[in-house]
Order: sequence, then C-alpha cells, then structure tokens
Amino acid sequence: GAGVSQSPSNKVTEKGKDVELRCDPISGHTALYWYRQSLGQGLEFLIYFQGNSAPDKSGLPSDRFSAERTGGSVSTLTIQRTQQEDSAVYLCASSLVARGVNEKLFFGSGTQLSVL
Amino acid sequence: DAKTTQPPSMDCAEGRAANLPCNHSTISGNEYVYWYRQIHSQEPQYIIHGLKNNETNEMASLIITEDRKSSTLILPHATLRDTAVYYCIVRVAFGNEKLTFGTGTRLTIIP
Repeated sequence: GAGVSQSPSNKVTEKGKDVELRCDPISGHTALYWYRQSLGQGLEFLIYFQGNSAPDKSGLPSDRFSAERTGGSVSTLTIQRTQQEDSAVYLCASSLVARGVNEKLFFGSGTQLSVL
Repeated sequence: DAKTTQPPSMDCAEGRAANLPCNHSTISGNEYVYWYRQIHSQEPQYIIHGLKNNETNEMASLIITEDRKSSTLILPHATLRDTAVYYCIVRVAFGNEKLTFGTGTRLTIIP
C-alpha cells in the first residue's frame, strides 16, 4: 500500500493476556517509530528502529513491552500480561533516510487497544 | 533534542492568518524545526520543516528567527478544518531519534 498500515485497527483484550500489534511501513522507509497516545494526552515515544536495530529502548514503559523488526520492514510491538493502563492508541510511523538525513514521519492510523 | 515551548491553546477567526509561535532557545546548529498537527481522532500529519531559512509549502509558511531561538508557523487563510493540535519539534538531522512531541498548541478556528 501507499501509506503506513497498522493492524488490527481495534483490539479488545482481557487483563493479563498478551497482544501483538503490527506495523507495515512505507516501502523503502528504513526508519520506523512506535508511539502511544492515551485518551486526551500527547504522543508518548516508545521505540525507534533504524533498519532492524533499535538503538534506544528506554521509551518502553516496562519490560512487558517489546518490539522487533524483521527484514527492515514489518515491525511487531508485543505487550505481555496487559494491564488496564496499557489502553491507548498505538501509533506507528516511518520515514525515509536520505543523504544522511531523517525525513518527515508518515503515521499510520493506529491500533486502538482496550484492556478490560 | 532541544526542548520546545508552545502556548497550550489559541483561537483564530476563520479566513484569517493563524500564527503559532514556538520557542526553542536551546536549539543547536544541527537541529531542524519540524511542525506536525493532529486533527481530532486522526493520526499526526507532517506540515513543514526548516533549518534556518524561511520555508513555504502548500499548507503553511515557517518563519525562523535569525538566532533560531524561535519560530512561527503561519496558516495563511485558516479554515475550520485547521482546528487541531499543532506540535513544534526540533531534531537533529540524524542520530538521536528519541523523538518527543511535547504537548503542542490546541488551535481552534472560530467561524
């Protein structure tokens, strides 16, 4: 597709269950970002990938959160043993790195996660 | 990345120019100024960016002061669809990618 694709668009889960959120970036974009946004709040940075590497994981809220990226393309954000405070919209963005410069971010429409 | 300061909210009359300020007094020489906006219930959208020269595109103009310590995003003829939260971000060209958005300015266009 032409844009950043995220799936599922909505996910309802029970407290304590694991969830996987998927992001398919724009083809050729080597940089990939995960953010989350709680209701009425700003964007919280989670993690960034350059290729398959994540040089800075300090934004992940706890060790229940992990992310990986394979083949320099699709990324998966996994939340283990979900808690109600994990409920938020999880946004993925990608950008092109050209001439050593990170270009503008293109965002997907997000995954609305609801933990009951 | 340098910290930015924006007013929490602003109003602008429909059809008038909306001028959104951003203070980034600790910006360093290799940091760009980026603007994004987020319309209610939608994903953030890129607007414009610049290093030191003023920039204009089909959406907006970006005016950066000569000392680069502040900038202004200008929406020349605001419409109701421009009601959104506007984020000013400064970031290095490449390297530290813990890209934080801050709280932004909630711009309301008044009919």
